[in-house]
Amino acid sequence: NAGVTQTPKFRILKIGQSMTLQCTQDMNHNYMYWYRQDPGMGLKLIYYSVGAGITDKGEVPNGYNVSRSTTEDFPLRLELAAPSQTSVYFCASRRVSNTEAFFGQGTRLTVV
Amino acid sequence: AQKVTQAQTEISVVEKEDVTLDCVYETRDTTYYLFWYKQPPSGELVFLIRRNSFDEQNEISGRYSWNFQKSTSSFNFTITASQVVDSAVYFCALSEAGGSSNTGKLIFGQGTTLQVKP
Repeated sequence: NAGVTQTPKFRILKIGQSMTLQCTQDMNHNYMYWYRQDPGMGLKLIYYSVGAGITDKGEVPNGYNVSRSTTEDFPLRLELAAPSQTSVYFCASRRVSNTEAFFGQGTRLTVV
Repeated sequence: AQKVTQAQTEISVVEKEDVTLDCVYETRDTTYYLFWYKQPPSGELVFLIRRNSFDEQNEISGRYSWNFQKSTSSFNFTITASQVVDSAVYFCALSEAGGSSNTGKLIFGQGTTLQVKP
């Protein structure tokens, strides 16, 4: 069982560049999430999705975009990278709202 | 609005001490779910427990126990006889359900860093 897979694991971006963080899950989960974790801080919700074709903003959506064209995939897009987006990004999925979330291993992104 | 507060930023104890991690939540929903996760130094997030709003029974699992009190909107986590391997960041989380406009949203607290010294 692969669970939740995030790619890449590490990435260095220059200011103004764009990139997509990939997230895929093989558990047929309806709900998917993107969080960022800054050093010494908690997990901040960026975007979430309750099913294919449905996405919604979380606490810190500015500077990011998402799409959910399939149940399995939930990519996170950074259009114009800024140093403030330096963080560790976690993708998570769960079946429904009363179940626990499963997390990917995280993507460490540095914007210089 | 949904909110989770973990007021203790860092806690340091000596091995074998008991330690309680506090979690206070805010929600307007009557149906909701609470979770605790552990993040060891390796960085992955490990699920520990889930509790729904209708079940106020305390739970014990080995050295871990959880105290859920709706009257104070708290869901505290106690580690008995702490060990060095318990050193990690611990997160409390809240999910609303039951038709709330926030259904599906999963919000985390700021986390409490626990250091257990030998």
